[in-house]
Amino acid sequence: GNSVTQMEGPVTLSEEAFLTINCTYTATGYPSLFWYVQYPGEGLQLLLKATKADDKGSNKGFEATYRKETTSFHLEKGSVQVSDSAVYFCALSDQGGGADGLTFGKGTHLIIQP
Amino acid sequence: GAGVSQSPRYKVAKRGQDVALRCDPISGHVSLFWYQQALGQGPEFLTYFQNEAQLDKSGLPSDRFFAERPEGSVSTLKIQRTQQEDSAVYLCASSRRAVTYYYGYTFGSGTRLTVV
Repeated sequence: GNSVTQMEGPVTLSEEAFLTINCTYTATGYPSLFWYVQYPGEGLQLLLKATKADDKGSNKGFEATYRKETTSFHLEKGSVQVSDSAVYFCALSDQGGGADGLTFGKGTHLIIQP
Repeated sequence: GAGVSQSPRYKVAKRGQDVALRCDPISGHVSLFWYQQALGQGPEFLTYFQNEAQLDKSGLPSDRFFAERPEGSVSTLKIQRTQQEDSAVYLCASSRRAVTYYYGYTFGSGTRLTVV
């Protein structure tokens, strides 16, 4: 079956630090990969996505590259801000699946201190 | 509407009580999903509708869980005889396309169900 493993949190960084949140996956088909973000009190929001190997998704200064050889989709940002504090979820959607439902990791709570 | 709307936002139920959770997807969205998110966990797939047809209900944890979308718009997730392990946030998501893996979906803010 499909699964997503991401680094456990909380991850605490100082403002302007470099961020990496690791994500690896297993999938029966050829998945699309996503990062979702959940700000306090809000719903899940799509942050970025990649649909094929070597694609790079990017948004709001965040980037992640689809690495098929290492089955990874690590999230990076060069300089984090306090407003980036949230829970980040890595997810996949198996293009071979019928429902295209998402399989999520457990989430990584990111705390940015001023 | 502008987004996916879920109601109620919070629900406290006594064990054994039946509950109904409502999802209003974005107007015209074809696909609708329900997810269950336990505390400290990622969301887990429950069921999927394409218009009014329930195409996948493999994630529903027991026959106490039932979902419907009779007119292809509003959906209701019903839980009968609630148990403490049903306590979670129930998320609804919709997409304007039937093929969602590429386009992704929009999530609602969820209903937090607490069974006491």
